[in-house]
Amino acid sequence: AQSVTQLGSHVSVSEGALVLLRCNYSSSVPPYLFWYVQYPNQGLQLLLKYTTGATLVKGINGFEAEFKKSETSFHLTKPSAHMSDAAEYFCAVSGKAGTALIFGKGTTLSVSS
Amino acid sequence: DAGVIQSPRHEVTEMGQEVTLRCKPISGHNSLFWYRQTMMRGLELLIYFNNNVPIDDSGMPEDRFSAKMPNASFSTLKIQPSEPRDSAVYFCASRPEDYGYTFGSGTRLTVV
Repeated sequence: AQSVTQLGSHVSVSEGALVLLRCNYSSSVPPYLFWYVQYPNQGLQLLLKYTTGATLVKGINGFEAEFKKSETSFHLTKPSAHMSDAAEYFCAVSGKAGTALIFGKGTTLSVSS
Repeated sequence: DAGVIQSPRHEVTEMGQEVTLRCKPISGHNSLFWYRQTMMRGLELLIYFNNNVPIDDSGMPEDRFSAKMPNASFSTLKIQPSEPRDSAVYFCASRPEDYGYTFGSGTRLTVV
């Protein structure tokens, strides 16, 4: 079975500051890991995904995440926050191909000027 | 590509009424998922289909909930009878052979 824990339901940063959103997973099989973003009153949009291969994954809007098996982590980072990054972010995990994604509770990112 | 299309966007209904939510997945995507989002419980998987066949419905909360996928281009989620605790945003998502979902914009259901 798979599960996801997102540490911190709310993260606040200043514009231009580093963004770090934390995600730890549990999986009985090699995991496939994802980050999604949700803007108000919209569906979820895929930011990036890790399936196999390179452990540092680059996504859209300047975000990246690193898969660390030893730490069972997949933290999301962005070097410099923009106001437009304010949204809710979800980490998700799935097991073998064809199975469904299991989502974390989400982290709301606020960006102040 | 029009994306995953859900209807209606908003639904307000009285307790006890039947509610039907609809989803049109992206053409060529062979998996379809229904999720429910609430503040308290986050995103919960209700049911998913592969090639129109239900694979896992363990997330369907009660017998009041049912889902069908009669063909590759259409799915419904039905609640009968509806209750106030069913109020939530219901998302449909579809996926091709790889692992990335595409989500619809959701249906916001309010049961009064």
